[in-house]
Amino acid sequence: GAGVSQSPSNKVTEKGKDVELRCDPISGHTALYWYRQSLGQGLEFLIYFQGNSAPDKSGLPSDRFSAERTGGSVSTLTIQRTQQEDSAVYLCASSRPGSPLHFGNGTRLTVT
Amino acid sequence: QKEVEQDPGPLSVPEGAIVSLNCTYSNSAFQYFMWYRQYSRKGPELLMYTYSSGNKEDGRFTAQVDKSSKYISLFIRDSQPSDSATYLCAMLGTDKLIFGTGTRLQVFP
Repeated sequence: GAGVSQSPSNKVTEKGKDVELRCDPISGHTALYWYRQSLGQGLEFLIYFQGNSAPDKSGLPSDRFSAERTGGSVSTLTIQRTQQEDSAVYLCASSRPGSPLHFGNGTRLTVT
Repeated sequence: QKEVEQDPGPLSVPEGAIVSLNCTYSNSAFQYFMWYRQYSRKGPELLMYTYSSGNKEDGRFTAQVDKSSKYISLFIRDSQPSDSATYLCAMLGTDKLIFGTGTRLQVFP
């Protein structure tokens, strides 16, 4: 079946602009995660959605970052007033409860 | 100190070698341990998944967990050039996975 789909695969934006990154999880997966991967830094947790519960936003690095998940399915990660240090690969993953995470191929964000 | 420590490598080995990849961690509450493989410009894919201490084997891959030492390993036997990738260890915290930085492995023919 279809895996986790992320779009766009690449995004180049100017410093100060807003960007939206989209994630389509695997159908039936109630949990959805956003991670950020920077060179040499590993995967950094950003935010976690589980069903209708309030999201765990503890990993968001600043108030410029926000995410929402509509209808328990598609999620959008928004970065406002982008900075050069926001350049990274943004990975989305989904899972069923108690099952391992399945990742998308990520969105490579470059802020110039 | 990071919760999960992993040597970033790179690790370069000849085809057919046995590869040992390792992670240490500090949180004794971790119960689930995973290894993900990530090819260039792709998302991580799950390789192995173990619960608590012990060994788990799947083909050429063996995952080992030593909770008393807070140390996990992934062994790859008869390594192949197609095994060249970044290997990330991950451990389940309260609700989310905590990842190591990943070890870049290159297997040359």
